[in-house]
Amino acid sequence: EPEVTQTPSHQVTQMGQEVILRCVPISNHLYFYWYRQILGQKVEFLVSFYNNEISEKSEIFDDQFSVERPDGSNFTLKIRSTKLEDSAMYFCASRTGTAEDTQYFGPGTRLTVL
Amino acid sequence: GQSLEQPSEVTAVEGAIVQINCTYQTSGFYGLSWYQQHDGGAPTFLSYNGLDGLEETGRFSSFLSRSDSYGYLLLQELQMKDSASYFCAAQDAGRRALTFGSGTRLQVQP
Repeated sequence: EPEVTQTPSHQVTQMGQEVILRCVPISNHLYFYWYRQILGQKVEFLVSFYNNEISEKSEIFDDQFSVERPDGSNFTLKIRSTKLEDSAMYFCASRTGTAEDTQYFGPGTRLTVL
Repeated sequence: GQSLEQPSEVTAVEGAIVQINCTYQTSGFYGLSWYQQHDGGAPTFLSYNGLDGLEETGRFSSFLSRSDSYGYLLLQELQMKDSASYFCAAQDAGRRALTFGSGTRLQVQP
């Protein structure tokens, strides 16, 4: 069964450093999402991406965040200058784009900012 | 924006039936999804309601009433492996992003 994959599974970085989280959505999916989940809290929407551009972003997704689909398979989230409060699980999700479809989540990347 | 309320914790015994309720306040509501998340794992899709009524998928069923802004997830024949957090998530009509509730931690006891 096709699945969303994410790399790395765990990333440790120093405050102020840039990180890139990678996702490979399911191949026939057209809509892509990033969510984050701070430990013990709920999953929060960051950004949605369709047709090679951002379709919506939340208040969390400020100027330090960016997304890109550099080729036909990868979908990346870049955090330019990490802060301690960016420590969280980051989940990528994708869906086909039909009316009744659902979002399928990847296994997540645990980001730890020291 | 959307906000969703669900109980923080539920305990039940193996073989029992449990219902997890979710109420929502939304603008532009499109549908309600349910996800299961084990500790350290990713949200796993369980069920979706785009229309009022009951959707059944094996041991799991989900219900939606748009007029009451209410839904629930019903888990039957509980197994130990069902111990996890369960999130309701509202789908926004415009961006189709998911807004998650705070999650219900289900503990299944022998």
